[in-house]
Amino acid sequence: KAGVTQTPRYLIKTRGQQVTLSCSPISGHRSVSWYQQTPGQGLQFLFEYFSETQRNKGNFPGRFSGRQFSNSRSEMNVSTLELGDSALYLCASSLVREWGEQFFGPGTRLTVL
Amino acid sequence: TQLLEQSPQFLSIQEGENLTVYCNSSSVFSSLQWYRQEPGEGPVLLVTVVTGGEVKKLKRLTFQFGDARKDSSLHITAAQPGDTGLYLCAGGQGAQKLVFGQGTRLTINP
Repeated sequence: KAGVTQTPRYLIKTRGQQVTLSCSPISGHRSVSWYQQTPGQGLQFLFEYFSETQRNKGNFPGRFSGRQFSNSRSEMNVSTLELGDSALYLCASSLVREWGEQFFGPGTRLTVL
Repeated sequence: TQLLEQSPQFLSIQEGENLTVYCNSSSVFSSLQWYRQEPGEGPVLLVTVVTGGEVKKLKRLTFQFGDARKDSSLHITAAQPGDTGLYLCAGGQGAQKLVFGQGTRLTINP
């Protein structure tokens, strides 16, 4: 079974631009979560989607948004990029929601200049 | 806000030594998971513990969930260079989002 895939793997943008990241979950997984990972803050939860609905949201500004499609694929968008948005963005899919076991993709490394 | 504190943050030891990593919180979690992350990759789930006092073994790795389900530990016996990586604990509470610890960066020197 194929794992979680994320595209692109690397991205360089400048301040003020916007970016869209894509995630394809493991087949059959309907829950997709997004995390931001930085050396200083560690892994921080952005939001979670289940059956095209956002069920949980972390403490990030409204510049961070996401959506999920009917095939469970998900995208996240960051508008008006800031230098502090430079991070590894990880997507994770889940099947057994009760325990929240997450299967992570390799991440998208975003650099904002 | 639920917080998970991991200690130590950094650990560098020689091959063959034993080590323990701790994950502590003031909150009760219904499950506690441990992940390992290698450079350039996403975290990979190692184990999930759900019952207070539960102990799980994965080859040379032993995971324990505290009786009160507020803390956990990871013990590695006879560490090997392949154990090098970032170890993350994560707590879950029902259907809510996972809360991750800051991680322990482990280096095993040959």
